[in-house]
Amino acid sequence: GAVVSQHPSWVICKSGTSVKIECRSLDFQATTMFWYRQFPKQSLMLMATSNEGSKATYEQGVEKDKFLINHASLTLSTLTVTSAHPEDSSFYICSARSGRANIQYFGAGTRLSVL
Amino acid sequence: DAKTTQPPSMDCAEGRAANLPCNHSTISGNEYVYWYRQIHSQGPQYIIHGLKNNETNEMASLIITEDRKSSTLILPHATLRDTAVYYCIVRVTGANNLFFGTGTRLTVIP
Repeated sequence: GAVVSQHPSWVICKSGTSVKIECRSLDFQATTMFWYRQFPKQSLMLMATSNEGSKATYEQGVEKDKFLINHASLTLSTLTVTSAHPEDSSFYICSARSGRANIQYFGAGTRLSVL
Repeated sequence: DAKTTQPPSMDCAEGRAANLPCNHSTISGNEYVYWYRQIHSQGPQYIIHGLKNNETNEMASLIITEDRKSSTLILPHATLRDTAVYYCIVRVTGANNLFFGTGTRLTVIP
């Protein structure tokens, strides 16, 4: 299947700092990418839909000024958690849809711990 | 998107077939059935999808009932590495987002 690469896989940061997470589709172009968040023992929750060359669409309750999304190319989307706080600690997962196969592929996830 | 219902957990003996059921009684004619799994602390992995015909690939088989109101994912020879949460999702092709419910936690027992 297609490959979605997510980096870093694990990050620890101090409260108040910003963290950037990268998501790349390695062998296909993705006009649309998705960012999910998953808390322990819970299912994935969609945070935002990232569209190449345009503004991201955020789900209700997700602060767009806190979770900055940039989708500057057909193979790269980034999520920046600004002024991180301990409650932002979570597992963040990106996803990209392969247009040809109409299948959504997922990255391995990034575990963020804010101290 | 139509809602799905899955049992919260199942056990399967190693080497035996694992049959994971999913009910989607409100599925509409243009909605596909997708299966993903999530192994602990990893991103979801695509397994298989189908519209109305049964499908098979190197990972699994998908059996969809004639009325399309339910389906079964079959892992023919379960291994310990198949222990994961399995999600059944119905979605219109081309639509944004996959809605993840609570899934079925499959435990493969040695």
